[in-house]
Amino acid sequence: DVKVTQSSRYLVKRTGEKVFLECVQDMDHENMFWYRQDPGLGLRLIYFSYDVKMKEKGDIPEGYSVSREKKERFSLILESASTNQTSMYLCASTYGGGRGGPGELFFGEGSRLTVL
Amino acid sequence: GQQVMQIPQYQHVQEGEDFTTYCNSSTTLSNIQWYKQRPGGHPVFLIQLVKSGEVKKQKRLTFQFGEAKKNSSLHITATQTTDVGTYFCARVTGGGNKLTFGTGTQLKVEL
Repeated sequence: DVKVTQSSRYLVKRTGEKVFLECVQDMDHENMFWYRQDPGLGLRLIYFSYDVKMKEKGDIPEGYSVSREKKERFSLILESASTNQTSMYLCASTYGGGRGGPGELFFGEGSRLTVL
Repeated sequence: GQQVMQIPQYQHVQEGEDFTTYCNSSTTLSNIQWYKQRPGGHPVFLIQLVKSGEVKKQKRLTFQFGEAKKNSSLHITATQTTDVGTYFCARVTGGGNKLTFGTGTQLKVEL
């Protein structure tokens, strides 16, 4: 079974702190994604990566950065956390879908971040 | 980025009633995926539709892709309490590797 593991289920941070959210997948997937989920807004894409060291902005990249130094690991970084970044963060991975686009996404359990 | 609009946002049904959620886009979709997220859980893939007019069934769930590939629907026949959750559609955008999710439809089923 595909496993996508997010390092922390719950985090509480203070405004201005640097926050790292880690995600590891064990299926050699090319594509990895970071979404945030907020009530009424669905899942919004922050960043995604289609290969090691490659990254592309999603729909709401402001205030975030990412790192993909190894194929299995995709990290989301909040350089200076703010209260409006309080949210559920979901990592996902999938194989490259070629012309048809990415295949089905496999999600981690999520990391609920609270910024005070 | 353009989010896909889903309607309704919420739906309460009595167990045994049918349920439908719609996913609408102003532009042509190359394909559409559907996911289900149980309360407290993470989204789980249900199906992908690719062809114009495609209809696929999974037990009590029927998925349709519009002829113009601008809309899709998920229909559940005779809902059960196990159907409770939020249903999302997702579309490929931005050159082929980016998946954008709809706003979701939250389904509650009452006995």
